[in-house]
Amino acid sequence: AQSVTQLGSHVSVSEGALVLLRCNYSSSVPPYLFWYVQYPNQGLQLLLKYTTGATLVKGINGFEAEFKKSETSFHLTKPSAHMSDAAEYFCAVTRGGGNKLTFGTGTQLKVEL
Amino acid sequence: EPEVTQTPSHQVTQMGQEVILRCVPISNHLYFYWYRQILGQKVEFLVSFYNNEISEKSEIFDDQFSVERPDGSNFTLKIRSTKLEDSAMYFCASSVNRGPTDTQYFGPGTRLTVL
Repeated sequence: AQSVTQLGSHVSVSEGALVLLRCNYSSSVPPYLFWYVQYPNQGLQLLLKYTTGATLVKGINGFEAEFKKSETSFHLTKPSAHMSDAAEYFCAVTRGGGNKLTFGTGTQLKVEL
Repeated sequence: EPEVTQTPSHQVTQMGQEVILRCVPISNHLYFYWYRQILGQKVEFLVSFYNNEISEKSEIFDDQFSVERPDGSNFTLKIRSTKLEDSAMYFCASSVNRGPTDTQYFGPGTRLTVL
């Protein structure tokens, strides 16, 4: 079964610092990987997704993620954190032939002055 | 920008009561979904729906749950006899297509509290 593991339920960074949110996937077939963000009292919003092709994927709000097959990872990064990035971030995967999203447990990002 | 809407934002009900959660998907989308998130746990898939039929459902989606598209705009999730463990945030989503890479757009959720 497809699954994703997010390391660190809470991550705290200083404003301007690098953001690194970790996601590892478990799959016997090439996965399709997604990062969603949830701001307080809002729905899940797609940040970026990896389907095929270029392994470095750029998303909205300056975020990017790199698909590394050798490490079974899809970590989310942003060079410089902003206060507005404080939110919960979810890594998710779908399986070929279907589109049921399987989510990780989420990482709450806190950005401090 | 079009968005998925959900009503109500918060529903409180007594155990054993029926609840209907409502969603208005994005207008040109054809595939609809319900997910739920129990407090402190993962977001979990419940069901997908296309052309007035369930496409896929999870083990969670038992006989107590049903979905319907009663008209051209609404998509509903009904829980016939609520249990305490049904307390969760319920998210509706929609997509244009149902491929594994198609983006699902989520609504803001309905928080269901069963007392």
